[in-house]
Amino acid sequence: DIQMTQSPSTLSASVGDRVTITCRASQSITSWLAWYQQKPGKAPKFLIYKASSLESGVPPRFSGSGSGTEFTLTISSLQPDDFATYYCQQYKSYPYSFGQGTKLEIK
Amino acid sequence: QVQLVQSGAEVKKPGASVMVSCKASGYMFTSYSMHWVRQAPGQRLEWMGWINPDDANTKYSQKFQGRVTITRDTSASTAYMELSSLRPEDTAVYYCARGARGDVFDIWGQGTMVIVSS
Repeated sequence: DIQMTQSPSTLSASVGDRVTITCRASQSITSWLAWYQQKPGKAPKFLIYKASSLESGVPPRFSGSGSGTEFTLTISSLQPDDFATYYCQQYKSYPYSFGQGTKLEIK
Repeated sequence: QVQLVQSGAEVKKPGASVMVSCKASGYMFTSYSMHWVRQAPGQRLEWMGWINPDDANTKYSQKFQGRVTITRDTSASTAYMELSSLRPEDTAVYYCARGARGDVFDIWGQGTMVIVSS
């Protein structure tokens, strides 16, 4: 099974900051990686697929990059609505798996 | 609009079974896979399996093999997830999610809380 590890687990930042979250896979997943945003008590929201393709309607301040085993999610200028937990997910092989999450907190 | 609406919260005793439903609307039910993902309190998301609503083909995570069954009723545009032999560690929010773009989860249900307690 492919293990997904995110860093950091918690990130404190301010509105307007540029932040980057890293996701590492235990083996190559080429570009079969997605990112989700989850707020407390809510279902996840789909943001990015195939490592760098932005889902329709997602603000362009979100971007993804990477391939193989190392990936990043970048938010170019944090907005108040962006404070949430972010998860990466591999869909290269079964069982599909998620990272442990990165909680983005207001500094 | 495209949405998935799940059944309500459940409280079950250890050893029992639970069935959660997921009704799809706003799109052609048989054109997209349906996945089930769970999240225990404070834990990461965990993929359980999926069904092709068109032909009822399924794939399950080995972790749940033998305990989980995913079915569908195309006439009702509804998918079901049944988990048997429940244990306290199965306490979690269970989500259905539509598979798209090569199996990312683009639309999610609102979640169903399942509590397993004696």
